Amino acid sequence: QKEVEQNSGPLSVPEGAIASLNCTYSDRGSQSFFWYRQYSGKSPELIMSIYSNGDKEDGRFTAQLNKASQYVSLLIRDSQPSDSATYLCAVNLADSWGKLQFGAGTQVVVTP
Amino acid sequence: GAVVSQHPSWVICKSGTSVKIECRSLDFQATTMFWYRQFPKQSLMLMATSNEGSKATYEQGVEKDKFLINHASLTLSTLTVTSAHPEDSSFYICSRSGLAGGEQYFGPGTRLTVT
Repeated sequence: QKEVEQNSGPLSVPEGAIASLNCTYSDRGSQSFFWYRQYSGKSPELIMSIYSNGDKEDGRFTAQLNKASQYVSLLIRDSQPSDSATYLCAVNLADSWGKLQFGAGTQVVVTP
Repeated sequence: GAVVSQHPSWVICKSGTSVKIECRSLDFQATTMFWYRQFPKQSLMLMATSNEGSKATYEQGVEKDKFLINHASLTLSTLTVTSAHPEDSSFYICSRSGLAGGEQYFGPGTRLTVT
């Protein structure tokens, strides 16, 4: 059974601080990794994608990938109350084109 | 802007009736779309892959006779929940693949309540 694991949280972060979210995956053949943000009652929204080892930055978000350790993370800098949401890690399954496997999500709560 | 739409956004139906949910790709033709279900406080569960012009591929444990998927055109996939029961009440979300490396873009979701 291929798995994607995340800490469920909630992760409480003071406004202006850095939120650090972690994700591990079991499928060594996976090549594509994504972070989605899901507000309560809404559908997921793609915020980051990463395909190569290392860091990828987009605004206040930085995704980090280490394929050897099967680990992907998301940093949210200067956290804002509007960042309060559940963040889903998703991994492209190597043997199932187009299908994504999702982690359970980490709830982030940014406190003013 | 939105690249996937869903209709209706919410629906209430009585037990035993059927409900159809539409999913449209707004910006390009999608030969493959995906249907998910999400229960409260849980993650997304892939139900099936909708393939234009052919049968849908269902995930293990999903009843294909209960959740009918039709992908009749390159921009429209429909999910019909047949003989709905209260345990089918959930948030149903469709998606299409992106153009780059396997990402998916989600519709706004349909909240189904079966009474």
